[in-house]
Amino acid sequence: GAVVSQHPSRVICKSGTSVKIECRSLDFQATTMFWYRQFPKQSLMLMATSNEGSKATYEQGVEKDKFLINHASLTLSTLTVTSAHPEDSSFYICSARRGGGWYEQYFGPGTRLTVT
Amino acid sequence: DQQVKQNSPSLSVQEGRISILNCDYTNSMFDYFLWYKKYPAEGPTFLISISSIKDKNEDGRFTVFLNKSAKHLSLHIVPSQPGDSAVYFCAASHSGNTPLVFGKGTRLSVIA
Repeated sequence: GAVVSQHPSRVICKSGTSVKIECRSLDFQATTMFWYRQFPKQSLMLMATSNEGSKATYEQGVEKDKFLINHASLTLSTLTVTSAHPEDSSFYICSARRGGGWYEQYFGPGTRLTVT
Repeated sequence: DQQVKQNSPSLSVQEGRISILNCDYTNSMFDYFLWYKKYPAEGPTFLISISSIKDKNEDGRFTVFLNKSAKHLSLHIVPSQPGDSAVYFCAASHSGNTPLVFGKGTRLSVIA
């Protein structure tokens, strides 16, 4: 149990376009989902926390108008990178947590975004 | 200020021996600790966790030890196997509603 999927696994887009990444919890309901970004040889950087049905909470320095997060249901959250630029190229990972006070977060396999 | 620190960026161990990965934290409010394993270009995989009311938790080859007075935890892998080669992240949380705080990771290499 506790499987999280992400789609797409890899995406290449042109500068100025928008890209949507989906994160799904496949076998549990996730009241909270998290979006991370990882640069090469660095740790996971939390971008935002989203709770189902409410607005996402963004970490300091993360532009909420650039990284749009929607958590429309208990099994789906989406991250849209708007007007992408080459510096947005990175590995984006989502994670999901059950409700009810569970601490464990289960991670998706990640999405490699390359902006040309 | 880093609240969760993994001071060893890398560790090399021979197959069959014990791997010990260390993690220190500064926030005394943390009450739950987790270890994740990560391969390149993949998401982290949950390994094992421990609540602050315990000082040891064991699951197969993996044991996590918690020393609250020293604000230190460690992950022991014994015996180490080549498939254990990955980056290991320590994470901590206080209450069930806050995001996990991750360390920078330790790259473990198990040599056959």
